[in-house]
Amino acid sequence: QKEVEQDPGPLSVPEGAIVSLNCTYSNSAFQYFMWYRQYSRKGPELLMYTYSSGNKEDGRFTAQVDKSSKYISLFIRDSQPSDSATYLCAMSNPDGGYNKLIFGAGTRLAVHP
Amino acid sequence: DTAVSQTPKYLVTQMGNDKSIKCEQNLGHDTMYWYKQDSKKFLKIMFSYNNKELIINETVPNRFSPKSPDKAHLNLHINSLELGDSAVYFCASSQGIGTANQPQHFGDGTRLSIL
Repeated sequence: QKEVEQDPGPLSVPEGAIVSLNCTYSNSAFQYFMWYRQYSRKGPELLMYTYSSGNKEDGRFTAQVDKSSKYISLFIRDSQPSDSATYLCAMSNPDGGYNKLIFGAGTRLAVHP
Repeated sequence: DTAVSQTPKYLVTQMGNDKSIKCEQNLGHDTMYWYKQDSKKFLKIMFSYNNKELIINETVPNRFSPKSPDKAHLNLHINSLELGDSAVYFCASSQGIGTANQPQHFGDGTRLSIL
């Protein structure tokens, strides 16, 4: 079993839809949670990060962490065709070193006009 | 101005050859990384250097040898290339080690294909 599980999709939604992307994990020591966006033929870019549990909002994006369920989510409101990309969750823990990120496999999202 | 740049972008070579990939960052960061992304898009850390010192060394065949001549550069040399080495290799950098809020910035990858 992988430490971080993420449905690879693809997920196809119409423009304007609310998108929900999720990851589950097995290591309860994870404290730091991130979402990266990766466009085709490009490197991942950091979208959001949260520390421990709770919600964080940035524009159309909301990240949620539920440590009791070992489940994290990224919500995208009013999705746009420019949001079409692969979304990777990543996490780390203090024992492993915060800089040692463990990634999910990524969910491919397509937003069609 | 590209923050993390990798060369070459594409590398096609024969099995058994030795090749190198170079990475440079102009962000002033002191920590650099190599990741491997396989055909299923799974991104896995290989190595990390902080101020030219190796701090993360995952279970990687010793055919892979990273070298950091200074904190702005981290190169990856691969000996005796095998078919399973075909992947996209990403370089990344961040400021500091062991801090929870220093994001990693990635290059655009080197696509390695072994014939």
